[in-house]
Formats: sequence, structure tokens, C-alpha cells
Amino acid sequence: GENVEQHPSTLSVQEGDSAVIKCTYSDSASNYFPWYKQELGKGPQLIIDIRSNVGEKKDQRIAVTLNKTAKHFSLHITETQPEDSAVYFCAASTWNYGQNFVFGPGTRLSVLP
Amino acid sequence: KAGVTQTPRYLIKTRGQQVTLSCSPISGHRSVSWYQQTPGQGLQFLFEYFSETQRNKGNFPGRFSGRQFSNSRSEMNVSTLELGDSALYLCASSLEVQQLGREQFFGPGTRLTVL
Repeated sequence: GENVEQHPSTLSVQEGDSAVIKCTYSDSASNYFPWYKQELGKGPQLIIDIRSNVGEKKDQRIAVTLNKTAKHFSLHITETQPEDSAVYFCAASTWNYGQNFVFGPGTRLSVLP
Repeated sequence: KAGVTQTPRYLIKTRGQQVTLSCSPISGHRSVSWYQQTPGQGLQFLFEYFSETQRNKGNFPGRFSGRQFSNSRSEMNVSTLELGDSALYLCASSLEVQQLGREQFFGPGTRLTVL
């Protein structure tokens, strides 16, 4: 089955710097890759996603890149702010008569003021 | 548009009891998935329901079950609770417009503590 690895597990950056989180997946049939942000006491919030027919997607300060050949995708946050501090999860999804998401273990991002 | 709602938000049970958790998806969403989140195992997929049918199932014992009603609301049940079932149980709904990936939106979760 699918396996998703995520690095680093913790990341501390200074406010205004960039943060990069990387994920790799094992199943070449995976075709949808969302990123979620989870704040304390809340459910994961979808912040950006990318499909296998696209190499890069950007939404304001957040961007995601996908390399299908290498089976890895990355989240880039520029101009980080203290409110970006949270746990970030990547996921990979295949379509097999229904949704099947596998999540990475998460990255705890701390943005230091 | 209201988001995914889950009830109750917190629950305390003792070993051997059973529990039922409820999830109301975003209006118009027909797919509902359930996940278990623990510090040690992360987010693990339990099952997915679509049009009242279980369409996908994760690798959990038969003590974990679920169902979906005609209005897309879903419940999950855990019987004979064990200490290891203590977790945050998350529900997510999806519109399912196309097969090439569907956005999934999570509820706030139900925090289950088994004593």
C-alpha cells in the first residue's frame, strides 16, 4: 500500500523567513496531494493541494511543487508569520472505487517572532 | 456554508463500553470519511462512506464500524473499548465532483478518552 514520509518532523524559523516541508510517496498511482494545517484543538484545515497533472501551484504565500518522477512533493511558505505556527500534514490519495488518503506523520512548524 | 460538525466534542468512557460518534458533512457533500488521530500513529484512515455504502476501509479491527444515512450524516461506533482507542476521531466530507482528486474538509473532531 501507499506510504508517505514527511521531513522534517520539527522546523523552527524566524518570522519573515521561508519554510519548506518535503514529502515522498511510494504508490505511483497516487494522483492527488493535499496539505493540511492543524492548530491546537482543531481539525486539519486544507491549505493547498495539487493534482498529478500539475507541477506547481501557488496561493499567495503558499506554494506546492510536485515531482512525479521522483515521487515527492513539497510545501513552501514564504514570509512566515507567527500565525503560521502549527502542525502541517501532507497526504497522498489514489482513486480506487473511492477515496483513499494516506497522511504523512506531520511537521511541527514554529515561527519565532 | 456551515462546515463539518461532529458531536460530541469530548467523551470519556471506560474499558469494555461502546461509543457512537456523529458527523454531519458540509451540505451537498455525499462522501464521509473517518480518521483516528493519535500522537504515536498519526492520522489513520478508518473508512469512507458514499451514498450510504461503505466504499473503502482501513486496517482497523471489526470493533470499529460505521454507517451513513440518506441525508449523508454518518456515525461511527466502537464496541468493547480498549485503552488504546483513546484518540481524536476526525470526520471529513467531500463533494466528489471528479475522480482526479477531491478536496476533503475536516470537522473539529471528537476527543475520546478511555479509562
